[in-house]
Amino acid sequence: GNSVTQMEGPVTLSEEAFLTINCTYTATGYPSLFWYVQYPGEGLQLLLKATKADDKGSNKGFEATYRKETTSFHLEKGSVQVSDSAVYFCALDRTTDSWGKLQFGAGTQVVVTP
Amino acid sequence: GAVVSQHPSRVICKSGTSVKIECRSLDFQATTMFWYRQFPKQSLMLMATSNEGSKATYEQGVEKDKFLINHASLTLSTLTVTSAHPEDSSFYICSARRTSGSTDTQYFGPGTRLTVL
Repeated sequence: GNSVTQMEGPVTLSEEAFLTINCTYTATGYPSLFWYVQYPGEGLQLLLKATKADDKGSNKGFEATYRKETTSFHLEKGSVQVSDSAVYFCALDRTTDSWGKLQFGAGTQVVVTP
Repeated sequence: GAVVSQHPSRVICKSGTSVKIECRSLDFQATTMFWYRQFPKQSLMLMATSNEGSKATYEQGVEKDKFLINHASLTLSTLTVTSAHPEDSSFYICSARRTSGSTDTQYFGPGTRLTVL
């Protein structure tokens, strides 16, 4: 079946450091891949997505590239800010004929210190 | 941006009672909403798809008589945990599908923490 594995947190960084959160997946077919972010006390928000191999999603300085050969979708940001402190979830669309059924990873908490 | 709310944000109840959780899309209509469950330090697990005007579709292993879903209007879906037990204690999250032109986006609520004593 489908699954999403992402690195465990918490990940603690200093401001302006480089951030990478690894995400790998197993899936049948060609799922769309997503990164969601959850700030304290708020709902999950879509950060970026990619719908096919080699697509790069980007938003707010974050990037992730859909790598079919390594079944990965690692999230990166070159210079984090304190405001990036949040929990980040990698996810995939479970099926191609049923919109919105997401399979999530366990989430990675990121803490950015001044 | 689009907002999805949940009520209550936290609820504590006694074993054997039923609890209703509301999910509302505040500034758009949603024919489809989803209910997820999250255990501590684990991923969100999809429980069911809530369809306005029709029966919900449940994921394998989710008891539909235990988790009653009603999507009576285009802005409201409710999840009722019937005869709750301590093992039902969890974080319940809903999401709503917003269609704008040819684009579909899923918006998530902030979640409801259920504690069953």
